[in-house]
Parts: sequence; structure tokens; C-alpha cells
Amino acid sequence: KQEVTQIPAALSVPEGENLVLNCSFTDSAIYNLQWFRQDPGKGLTSLLLIQSSQREQTSGRLNASLDKSSGRSTLYIAASQPGDSATYLCAVIGSGGSNYKLTFGKGTLLTVNP
Amino acid sequence: EAQVTQNPRYLITVTGKKLTVTCSQNMNHEYMSWYRQDPGLGLRQIYYSMNVEVTDKGDVPEGYKVSRKEKRNFPLILESPSPNQTSLYFCASSLTGLGYEQYFGPGTRLTVT
Repeated sequence: KQEVTQIPAALSVPEGENLVLNCSFTDSAIYNLQWFRQDPGKGLTSLLLIQSSQREQTSGRLNASLDKSSGRSTLYIAASQPGDSATYLCAVIGSGGSNYKLTFGKGTLLTVNP
Repeated sequence: EAQVTQNPRYLITVTGKKLTVTCSQNMNHEYMSWYRQDPGLGLRQIYYSMNVEVTDKGDVPEGYKVSRKEKRNFPLILESPSPNQTSLYFCASSLTGLGYEQYFGPGTRLTVT
């Protein structure tokens, strides 16, 4: 059974700092990995999608990398801003046979202090 | 506007009273799914549907039913709700589910007393 772990569970940084969020998964047979942002009481907003054949994806100040063989992904946020404060979730979708389930990590709660 | 909509957004009900949470998407997506989010447990998939002909269980399907009679709609049915089904529920869709990003609805907060 696929398990997804996110470290750290919570992170507090001063504004302007660069930071890295980590995501690991136990089964490397995945179709893709997706990073989301969730604001309190709100739904999920997709940030980046990395296909299993890709190594990284970039969008603005965000860069996500994927090392499928080691079961790891990182989300790099450059020059953090208070508006980046949210919970960040990673999720993988399996590729084994008919396994099309999406499995989430429990998230990293990021606080960026002005 | 491309979106996933859920109704109702908030619901308080009593044990055993059947309820349905609707989910609709206007993006012509094949793949739709339901999740519940609980403190300390994160998001867990309840059911998913690859297309109108294929529906399968996720990690926590017990106590739930789904129906995919048409592409755009994927209702979640609780035949006999219990207090342990109190949770925040999300519906999501993607073009095929295998190589495309997931789009989430705004969530339905359900309380079963």
C-alpha cells in the first residue's frame, strides 16, 4: 500500500527566506506527483504536476523536483512571502495495474512571518 | 469558468438519515473522485471513477456509495450516516486521472449528530 510522508509537519520562516518542503513515497510505481496548496477552511489549489518521466517542474517562485527511484520529491519556494502561508500537500497516483488511487501526504503547515 | 462544484457546502444531519452530496464538473473530465479530510489523518480517497463505466473503491469506502450515470456528475451517497462520518469532503476531477492535474471542489463540511 502506497504511503506518502511529508517532512516537516510545520515550518515557520521569516519573509524573504528560501525554503524546501519534502515529500517521500514508498512505492515508486507512480504515474505522477502533484503539489497542492490548501488555505484554512478552503479547497485545494494545484501548484505543480510532475509526470513520472520528468525530473522537475517550475512555476514562478516554485520549483518541484522528483526522484522516482528514491521515492522523493521536494518543493522549493524562493523568496517566501506572507501570502505563501498555507498547508502544502503532495499526492501521488499509482501506476500498478488498475491502481488509479490518489494518495496524499498529511501536509506541511507553512507560516511566513513578515 | 472551469470548476468543480459541490452542494451543499455545509450540512448538519442526524444518525441514519440518508443524504446525498452532489458533485459536478464542467470541464468534460473523465476521472472524478471523492475524499474526506480529517485532522491528523489527512486526505483519504473514498471512491474514484475512471469514466462513466468504471468506478472503484479508494482507501475508505465503507459506509459510502457513489453513482456515475453521466460524465459531469458524481454524487456521494451516505445511506445511513453515522457520527464517524463527520468530516470535510472534497470532490475532484481530472481529464483522465493518469497524467493530468486534479481539480478540487470547495468542500462540504458534514456533521452527523
